[in-house]
Amino acid sequence: DGGITQSPKYLFRKEGQNVTLSCEQNLNHDAMYWYRQDPGQGLRLIYYSQIVNDFQKGDIAEGYSVSREKKESFPLTVTSAQKNPTAFYLCASSPSRGGGSYGYTFGSGTRLTVV
Amino acid sequence: EDKVVQSPLSLVVHEGDTVTLNCSYEVTNFRSLLWYKQEKKAPTFLFMLTSSGIEKKSGRLSSILDKKELSSILNITATQTGDSAIYLCAVATRGSGGGADGLTFGKGTHLIIQP
Repeated sequence: DGGITQSPKYLFRKEGQNVTLSCEQNLNHDAMYWYRQDPGQGLRLIYYSQIVNDFQKGDIAEGYSVSREKKESFPLTVTSAQKNPTAFYLCASSPSRGGGSYGYTFGSGTRLTVV
Repeated sequence: EDKVVQSPLSLVVHEGDTVTLNCSYEVTNFRSLLWYKQEKKAPTFLFMLTSSGIEKKSGRLSSILDKKELSSILNITATQTGDSAIYLCAVATRGSGGGADGLTFGKGTHLIIQP
């Protein structure tokens, strides 16, 4: 079945540590996105990528980095510069930027907690 | 800056009640409005609306867009406990170069259906 796989489901980070969240899709979608969700805040865009080897900052990119070396994969690194990383992270993809006809397909998310 | 506002932010009703969720937006170059349901993890697509006054229906759920009022409503009739979820509204915009800009999300309405 086609879809988006995020791993791990739960992740614990120590202060000062970098961690990488994985996102893989087999939908042959061109565009991929990372969102952060906090209680009462809705979804906020961190980074997006429209094609391989190209990505753009979203609204809250500080303290995060991404790469897009393959069409299927869009990993997100939460660096030590991100002061408040505890949140639920959602990866999404779409056939083209803007969602095509059916919006985005979302992964199941990774819950990151700083310990 | 594009803005999407949902109301109410939370709502508790009894099984069998009818609920109406609201979404208003202020964006440049509106393309479409989308509704998602988020239960525990991945948001799932409900509706995409592009034209005013045309109701989209799926079972007990329906939605309509009013481009003059820059708003949309999502109705759920004969609610069931399985309707308990966060309902997200998002607006897709058209980029200045003709391509799409992506989705701007509201904060969501947290709906709880009590038996």
